[in-house]
Amino acid sequence: SQTIHQWPATLVQPVGSPLSLECTVEGTSNPNLYWYRQAAGRGLQLLFYSIGIGQISSEVPQNLSASRPQDRQFILSSKKLLLSDSGFYLCAWEDLTDREQETQYFGPGTRLLVL
Amino acid sequence: AQKITQTQPGMFVQEKEAVTLDCTYDTSDPSYGLFWYKQPSSGEMIFLIYQGSYDQQNATEGRYSLNFQKARKSANLVISASQLGDSAMYFCAMSFYNQGGKLIFGQGTELSVKP
Repeated sequence: SQTIHQWPATLVQPVGSPLSLECTVEGTSNPNLYWYRQAAGRGLQLLFYSIGIGQISSEVPQNLSASRPQDRQFILSSKKLLLSDSGFYLCAWEDLTDREQETQYFGPGTRLLVL
Repeated sequence: AQKITQTQPGMFVQEKEAVTLDCTYDTSDPSYGLFWYKQPSSGEMIFLIYQGSYDQQNATEGRYSLNFQKARKSANLVISASQLGDSAMYFCAMSFYNQGGKLIFGQGTELSVKP
């Protein structure tokens, strides 16, 4: 069965510091991968998605970047964090075995607080 | 514009009773998918149910059913026989087959099940 991991679970970082959040998927190959951010009490906003190694699409201009160095690894980064980067970051993978349904399954998330 | 609207910020239901969570959407694209996710206090987004825009029958998954009214552009979630463990945030989401699987989320409904 497929599983998705994210770490760290919680992170407190000072403004201006770098960031690296990691997401890995097991039990599937060549999945579509996604990074979402959720502000407190709100729905999710798509930040980046990837259909393959080295292929990244950005949905909104921001202080963040994403990379996919391996098939089942997706990394979210920042060189200098802003206060507005605080939030709950969720990674998701898409089940491509059913081309009509395209369900996304989410990881446990990382809570980031920038002070 | 593509948009998901959930008009109920919070709902209460008595244990063992049924509850309906409202979701309306706006799109001119004829091909789309509708999803419901559950987010407990732990933060993880749990996939519940899917409805395709061309599906003739309403989707069902155990105690969850989706009341799909295409002409009214609504996709309400019905939870039968509510349990205490159903207390959580519930998000309605929409995706489009030609947009890389991007999910657009509503603002969510917080459901509280009372014993």
